[in-house]
Amino acid sequence: NAGVTQTPKFQVLKTGQSMTLQCAQDMNHNSMYWYRQDPGMGLRLIYYSASEGTTDKGEVPNGYNVSRLNKREFSLRLESAAPSQTSVYFCASRAAGLGRGEQYFGPGTRLTVT
Amino acid sequence: AQSVSQHNHHVILSEAASLELGCNYSYGGTVNLFWYVQYPGQHLQLLLKYFSGDPLVKGIKGFEAEFIKSKFSFNLRKPSVQWSDTAEYFCAVNAGSGGYNKLIFGAGTRLAVHP
Repeated sequence: NAGVTQTPKFQVLKTGQSMTLQCAQDMNHNSMYWYRQDPGMGLRLIYYSASEGTTDKGEVPNGYNVSRLNKREFSLRLESAAPSQTSVYFCASRAAGLGRGEQYFGPGTRLTVT
Repeated sequence: AQSVSQHNHHVILSEAASLELGCNYSYGGTVNLFWYVQYPGQHLQLLLKYFSGDPLVKGIKGFEAEFIKSKFSFNLRKPSVQWSDTAEYFCAVNAGSGGYNKLIFGAGTRLAVHP
């Protein structure tokens, strides 16, 4: 049981390049989330998927797109990276019903945009 | 909009000192409250949570938190810290109907414990 996994762990992009961050969970959770973590700002929600087939914007969605590929996988895409997107990105998942609100986090992807 | 405030951004303590980290939230309805910890180089882990019932919640590693509804607070405490408690601590709230899907995080408190 690996929990929440993310790839890659590190990435360096040039301004304007695109990339997709991958996230998968093996806990049969319904909801999945993408956050970015910046110093002094905590975690901010980018997008979330309450269930397979649905996605919704969070607090800071501009410059990102997401795909809930199936129940296990939730990817985050940067179409044209900008230096302001330099951050650590965390994926999380949550089971519906019992334990509402409790989220389980992946190890993170450290992205640098030059 | 809901928000979470953590009063201390950096805290430095010696081993065996007592710890209290402040957390206040803004939301007048039913809330679920959490403290997460992030050890250096690791992902976030749940320390403790409050949904309902006894407002004094005990978590892992000797941590506890007290929910005071009248003060909109959920402060984290530990009577005697250890060097291994060096980490960043995040308070989070999940509020309101339809809002159960989203957590709002505070900015975090970075704790350094010196031997």
